[in-house]
Amino acid sequence: GESVGLHLPTLSVQEGDNSIINCAYSNSASDYFIWYKQESGKGPQFIIDIRSNMDKRQGQRVTVLLNKTVKHLSLQIAATQPGDSAVYFCAENRNYGQNFVFGPGTRLSVLP
Amino acid sequence: DAGITQSPRHKVTETGTPVTLRCHQTENHRYMYWYRQDPGHGLRLIHYSYGVKDTDKGEVSDGYSVSRSKTEDFLLTLESATSSQTSVYFCAISEGTGGEYEQYFGPGTRLTVT
Repeated sequence: GESVGLHLPTLSVQEGDNSIINCAYSNSASDYFIWYKQESGKGPQFIIDIRSNMDKRQGQRVTVLLNKTVKHLSLQIAATQPGDSAVYFCAENRNYGQNFVFGPGTRLSVLP
Repeated sequence: DAGITQSPRHKVTETGTPVTLRCHQTENHRYMYWYRQDPGHGLRLIHYSYGVKDTDKGEVSDGYSVSRSKTEDFLLTLESATSSQTSVYFCAISEGTGGEYEQYFGPGTRLTVT
């Protein structure tokens, strides 16, 4: 697989702790958001999505929060595990179009 | 990687040469996409296809062309490669458009233009 050697913000958390990854999106008209996980050497993998008519959505061990007032999105990972180490990035979409705008990402490092 | 393969996985080519990257899916999804990923930019859409022989431009389409003659194959061509096209290229597929839909990504192709 492939990955990009990005000089990204890094979040380091202890195994078992909760992680919070933040994303500021650019367009106040965006109405659909996705969080992706990209492991080293692999393509991005869908984690969870949320529409703009929601403030919160929960998945398995993950929660996405949306604050439209300040155009902010966060991903919370409960009980972080070593397998969660990856780059995480958000994507925003407007009006059911094909063109998602992707953020540059945050690298999550899980410490033993 | 959800039945998506990309070939080649790595390629080094010289400036001015033509390059074709191939994306192959076994999922029979309608939509296929080509993205490039560069440091500091995140993923950017190059072209996408919404059916056989139906394609449209994305955000960074200059210097690239695409073709889709079969549902399962989506080709990305750099007619005359330039150093600015050095990047990692990802193919993605999805079943639907807009609303709530999931894009599945391939493993990527690292292209270096010298």
